[in-house]
Amino acid sequence: SAVISQKPSRDICQRGTSLTIQCQVDSQVTMMFWYRQQPGQSLTLIATANQGSEATYESGFVIDKFPISRPNLTFSTLTVSNMSPEDSSIYLCSVVAGGPVDTQYFGPGTRLTVL
Amino acid sequence: RKEVEQDPGPFNVPEGATVAFNCTYSNSASQSFFWYRQDCRKEPKLLMSVYSSGNEDGRFTAQLNRASQYISLLIRDSKLSDSATYLCVVNGGAGSYQLTFGKGTKLSVIP
Repeated sequence: SAVISQKPSRDICQRGTSLTIQCQVDSQVTMMFWYRQQPGQSLTLIATANQGSEATYESGFVIDKFPISRPNLTFSTLTVSNMSPEDSSIYLCSVVAGGPVDTQYFGPGTRLTVL
Repeated sequence: RKEVEQDPGPFNVPEGATVAFNCTYSNSASQSFFWYRQDCRKEPKLLMSVYSSGNEDGRFTAQLNRASQYISLLIRDSKLSDSATYLCVVNGGAGSYQLTFGKGTKLSVIP
């Protein structure tokens, strides 16, 4: 497995502002993902963070709202732009590392509250 | 629509009990199957992968029925520390890293 950290662990933001969440892995990984977990719900994949190219977004998620950077194989950022209360959620990054080829391990998450 | 369905529970069981969780999935192309455990306000953690032949890890046994698109998790001799939400997870097909999560089944083990 991999050791994954996220910053910030939580934040309270005003609507209309933007927040950038960082994800750091202790080893180089090829596959990195961003998920959202809304209150009382399960995880929904936002996008795949591709190193050296634009992220691949899932249906319902767009780059203008959730820009993603992946400058190297150990780091990625997700920005939640022009926030509204509906964006209040936990945002998690995950990586594929070790174990069976498609086993994903999750960071501790960023708990975002938008007022 | 690709979905994973689980009984949300909660399952309230006494220590030492055996409890079973079920899950169905709609994507017949799915090739990889997992059970994750999520404690309150924590990230999901892999409990076990699920193989066609069934697999066991200590008190935990997972079964897969591809024909019925059905996955199960059996926990024997429940411990207080087993209290958590159990997430059934499937991938999008051969070679796919896209995971679809069920909403989870909440388990509370009572002293």
